[in-house]
Amino acid sequence: DVKVTQSSRYLVKRTGEKVFLECVQDMDHENMFWYRQDPGLGLRLIYFSYDVKMKEKGDIPEGYSVSREKKERFSLILESASTNQTSMYLCASSTYPGASNQPQHFGDGTRLSIL
Amino acid sequence: GENVEQHPSTLSVQEGDSAVIKCTYSDSASNYFPWYKQELGKRPQLIIDIRSNVGEKKDQRIAVTLNKTAKHFSLHITETQPEDSAVYFCAAFGSGSARQLTFGSGTQLTVLP
Repeated sequence: DVKVTQSSRYLVKRTGEKVFLECVQDMDHENMFWYRQDPGLGLRLIYFSYDVKMKEKGDIPEGYSVSREKKERFSLILESASTNQTSMYLCASSTYPGASNQPQHFGDGTRLSIL
Repeated sequence: GENVEQHPSTLSVQEGDSAVIKCTYSDSASNYFPWYKQELGKRPQLIIDIRSNVGEKKDQRIAVTLNKTAKHFSLHITETQPEDSAVYFCAAFGSGSARQLTFGSGTQLTVLP
């Protein structure tokens, strides 16, 4: 069974801090994704990666960056946290290189609060 | 890019009744349509998916139908049970320039005992 692990379930940070959210998958999947989940808005794609050191912007990349130094790990970075980035963040992975039209497996999410 | 609209936002049914959730999409080239179930405090989990070369797919009490002409797809749950209570998300994969999954806004399904 695919396991996608996010480093924290809950995180509280202050405005202006640099925040790192970590995600690790254990199924050798090529594709990894970061979403943000807000009530009434569904899941919105922030960034995704189809390969190591590769990244592409999703629908809402502003204020975020990502890093993928190893295949199994995909990090989301909030360069200078702001209160409007308070949200639930979900990481996902899927197989088949370069394709999003495959089942995605999600982590448990990180509920981030920016004070 | 792709735009996915999902209705209704909340749905309450009596146990044993059927539930239907509908989604429309904008990109006529979309070719993959998954449905995810998210129980309270848990991760979204894929429950069923359909590709554009198929009109209907069933898995026990769950079915999905796709109408490519009208650009809409629906989730049908029969003989609902309390454990079906969750938020359900539809999604569509746009094969145009976006090439990513776009999710609907979610439906909170409550099955009343």
